[in-house]
Parts: sequence; structure tokens; C-alpha cells
Amino acid sequence: DGGITQSPKYLFRKEGQNVTLSCEQNLNHDAMYWYRQDPGQGLRLIYYSQIVNDFQKGDIAEGYSVSREKKESFPLTVTSAQKNPTAFYLCASSDDRRTNEKLFFGSGTQLSVL
Amino acid sequence: KQEVTQIPAALSVPEGENLVLNCSFTDSAIYNLQWFRQDPGKGLTSLLLIQSSQREQTSGRLNASLDKSSGRSTLYIAASQPGDSATYLCAVRPGGSQGNLIFGKGTKLSVKP
Repeated sequence: DGGITQSPKYLFRKEGQNVTLSCEQNLNHDAMYWYRQDPGQGLRLIYYSQIVNDFQKGDIAEGYSVSREKKESFPLTVTSAQKNPTAFYLCASSDDRRTNEKLFFGSGTQLSVL
Repeated sequence: KQEVTQIPAALSVPEGENLVLNCSFTDSAIYNLQWFRQDPGKGLTSLLLIQSSQREQTSGRLNASLDKSSGRSTLYIAASQPGDSATYLCAVRPGGSQGNLIFGKGTKLSVKP
């Protein structure tokens, strides 16, 4: 089945540790996105990429890094510089054609700090 | 700065009732607006996408309308069912921007049997 796969579903980070969240899609979409969701708040954009080997900062990029070496993959690293990493992280993709911009989301990764 | 507001934050209705969820945005210069559904601990599922030139979109029991000039969108759910219980979020894509959807905080809907 076509879709977006995020792993792991739950992740725990120790202080000072970098952790990487995986996002893979087989929808042949050009654009991919990372969002952070906190309780009672709307989704906030961390990073997005519209083409392989290129990505742009979103509204809350500090303390995060990404790469886009393959069209199918857009991993997110939460670095030790991110002081409040506990949140639900959502990856999304779209074909980014202006006539059809529906976003497709993965099932999310819940990151918690030990 | 574009802001998206959804009122109420939570809504509880009996099964079978028709209901309307509201979304308002402060800047009418949008490219499109999407409605999403989110089940607890899950990702978002896109329900309907309305381009700025459109007035409404329909899918099954769902109908979304868009009034750009007044900065409002509504999601109408007909004959609600317990399976409709979820959080519904709307998001706007500001005109001319790349990749930066602005989300509301959502309305948590509970449909009681």
C-alpha cells in the first residue's frame, strides 16, 4: 500500500543525546514536511523539502536538522540543542502540484525526555 | 501575520445530529484551505481541500464551504455517527508562500450513541 511510514512510534531521549526520527514515503511525492504538535496547540512547521538535496527552515527549526538524500526519505534529527523536545512529531508529504496539494501524514512519533 | 482560529475547542452531540464546525482566518489572501481529521495518537487525514477560487467541496456526508472575503470556512457533517468522533483541524496556505500551512488548534468532536 502507498503511504508514509514513521518510526519509531515512541522514542525516549536522554539529556545531551541526539535522536533521529525516520520518515519514508512511497507515494512518489516531491515535497515532504516535518511538524511538531504540542497538546492544545496547532501544528508547527519545523522543516520542509520540495526536492531532493534541498530543504528549508520552517517556523521552529532551531535545535533540529534534516537531510533529503533520497526522494523517499526525510529523516529528522532532534539535537541536544533542542531544550524542550517532548512532543508528537508528524511527517507529511504532498505532490506539491498547485492543483492538488493535499497533504498525507504519517502516524507520528511521540518523543519523550528521560 | 495569518492566524487560524477554530471555535469551539470541543463539541459533544448525540448521534444522528447534523453539525457545523467553524474555522476563521485573519488574512483573506489564501491559496487554499484544508480540513483534516485526527484520531487520538494518530496522524492527520485530509478530508477536503478548497482552492481559493472555490466556494465549497463535498465528500460523502461532509461539506466544506469557504468565504474568503469574511475569512471563514465551515465543515458540515450530516447525520453524525460515533465513528466521526475525532479532532478536526483546518489549515490555510497563505497566498504566494511555499510549504507553510497555518493550522488551527482543532475542534474535538464527540458523537454520543
